[in-house]
Amino acid sequence: GESVGLHLPTLSVQEGDNSIINCAYSNSASDYFIWYKQESGKGPQFIIDIRSNMDKRQGQRVTVLLNKTVKHLSLQIAATQPGDSAVYFCAETPRDSGGSNYKLTFGKGTLLTVNP
Amino acid sequence: NAGVTQTPKFRILKIGQSMTLQCTQDMNHNYMYWYRQDPGMGLKLIYYSVGAGITDKGEVPNGYNVSRSTTEDFPLRLELAAPSQTSVYFCASSFGTGSTQYFGPGTRLLVL
Repeated sequence: GESVGLHLPTLSVQEGDNSIINCAYSNSASDYFIWYKQESGKGPQFIIDIRSNMDKRQGQRVTVLLNKTVKHLSLQIAATQPGDSAVYFCAETPRDSGGSNYKLTFGKGTLLTVNP
Repeated sequence: NAGVTQTPKFRILKIGQSMTLQCTQDMNHNYMYWYRQDPGMGLKLIYYSVGAGITDKGEVPNGYNVSRSTTEDFPLRLELAAPSQTSVYFCASSFGTGSTQYFGPGTRLLVL
């Protein structure tokens, strides 16, 4: 079936380095993608989103890149800080949601650890 | 705004017991959702609601029931708890289609 998956389950970086978290999706009709951050014991927190008519979107210290040709999504975090340590999930809207985001399909998540 | 609040934070149930997980949002969002998150996994949608009086099944609805009598509240009911329902449950809300989902802090449930 359709799925959203992650290339790497864990990522360890040094404080101040840039981080790149990757996500692959299989549904070519997916048109809305979101990155969430989940700290230990807390609910997911919205980071940034992107629609399929875009290939790049920037926020504060974060950038999301979308490559529809290879169905790949990435989250780039600039100057990674210890407070960025968390699990990061990508999510997408499945084909039959009519383009709305009320049926998100989540990947398993990548654990980002920032070493001081 | 308090955002999305959930109670209780943690609960232990015996097999066959029932309970209701409470979820309230004060953002006047039309859409509300219930997810479960198993260890090391992403979130799976249990039920969702697009407005008061309207609910629909998500990916994993078996063993659960919901109701939406008001815009603010979206309780999740477990009638006959089973060990497979041991998980962390998250409630979320959004204004409408194409908008961000905001999550509550979660309820950790252990069924023994």
